[in-house]
Formats: sequence, C-alpha cells, structure tokens
Amino acid sequence: NAGVMQNPRHLVRRRGQEARLRCSPMKGHSHVYWYRQLPEEGLKFMVYLQKENIIDESGMPKERFSAEFPKEGPSILRIQQVVRGDSAAYFCASANTDTDTQYFGPGTRLTVL
Amino acid sequence: SQKIEQNSEALNIQEGKTATLTCNYTNYSPAYLQWYRQDPGRGPVFLLLIRENEKEKRKERLKVTFDTTLKQSLFHITASQPADSATYLCALGGYSSASKIIFGSGTRLSIRP
Repeated sequence: NAGVMQNPRHLVRRRGQEARLRCSPMKGHSHVYWYRQLPEEGLKFMVYLQKENIIDESGMPKERFSAEFPKEGPSILRIQQVVRGDSAAYFCASANTDTDTQYFGPGTRLTVL
Repeated sequence: SQKIEQNSEALNIQEGKTATLTCNYTNYSPAYLQWYRQDPGRGPVFLLLIRENEKEKRKERLKVTFDTTLKQSLFHITASQPADSATYLCALGGYSSASKIIFGSGTRLSIRP
C-alpha cells in the first residue's frame, strides 16, 4: 500500500507565476489536509477536503490560494501570482474516515525567486 | 486563542538516557493528542495517539502521558539512540471527524554518542 504521494518534490517559480501542488492520498483515504511549514516553524493548517468538498478552509489565505479534491485524481493546491512569502514546504496528509491519524506525504518545497 | 507550546530549546541528551519532551496547551479541550517525528526535509511520521480518557500509552521505547487537568503531555524515549535525533511534534485533535489537527512548533532532539 503506497503512502501519500506528492509532486513535484521541488518547485521553483518566479514572482507572479502560478504554482500547482499535487497530492495523491493513501489508497482508501477520502480525507485530505494541506499544511504549510516555514523553516524552523511548525505545521500550519491550511485546508481540509473530502472528495469534491471543502470541509474547512479557515487556514487558507482568502486570495490567490485555492484547493480541490476531485472525484477522480489527486488533490490540487493552487497558488496564483506567487510572491516570495509563499516560499515554504507544503505538506499533504490523508486519513481514513475511521481513524484520527493523518499520514503525511514527503512535501513539496516551493521556492519563489 | 488555542495555543500549543513545546520545549522551546533544543534538547541534547546522552545516548542511553531517557529523553523527555513536553507539550502544553491552553484554551483547548482536545479529544486526543498525537506525537509525530519529523526528519529534515521529510514529512512528519505518526508515532503515537493518546485519547483524553487515557493516562498513558507505550510503544516499544516510547511512552506518552496525557494529563487533561494540567493540560500537558509528556513524551519519553527510553534508552535513547543517536538514530532518535529528530524534531518531535505534538498535535491536538477535536471531537468531530471534521476537526482540524493543531500542531505545536516541535522540539529538536539530539542524542549524542
């Protein structure tokens, strides 16, 4: 059973470009969470999704950021018009409906030049 | 607002000794508490979950206590080894399956030979 997959592992964008981060949850998991981590800081919750639904997006900036988890395919975190402050590691986690444990992917490290 | 505090300083322990990490929280009544390990450049890895009605949980060399009166959890690694060196994160979860998990900023643990 493969773990949570994220790609790309590293992403470099210039200011103003768009960044698309992908997350494939563990097989059988229907809950997906996105977190952002700055160097030397903890994980900050961004958004929680189930298939085709956003359950909680209270941690996501209102502008430029969006997330989706379609019926088919991976979850996508999209950042439009990136700025230098968006540079961080973005982690995705997935969970089974019957458990509380979240399993994390390896993360995508976004660098904005 | 909800707040989680972990040992603010890095912890340096001699190999073979017991390492004890602290997690304190305020303005929150979690249904459960989790501990994760994170190595540099990697995603967090789940270690242990303890529920509000449990006082203590063990897994191999790991032991977690949960005191809801003190609003504190202690995480112990006995017979510590250099391979235990990592950052350890505590996280709190709510009662609803839709509750987001809140992470502390982590404690960096170094085990010297």
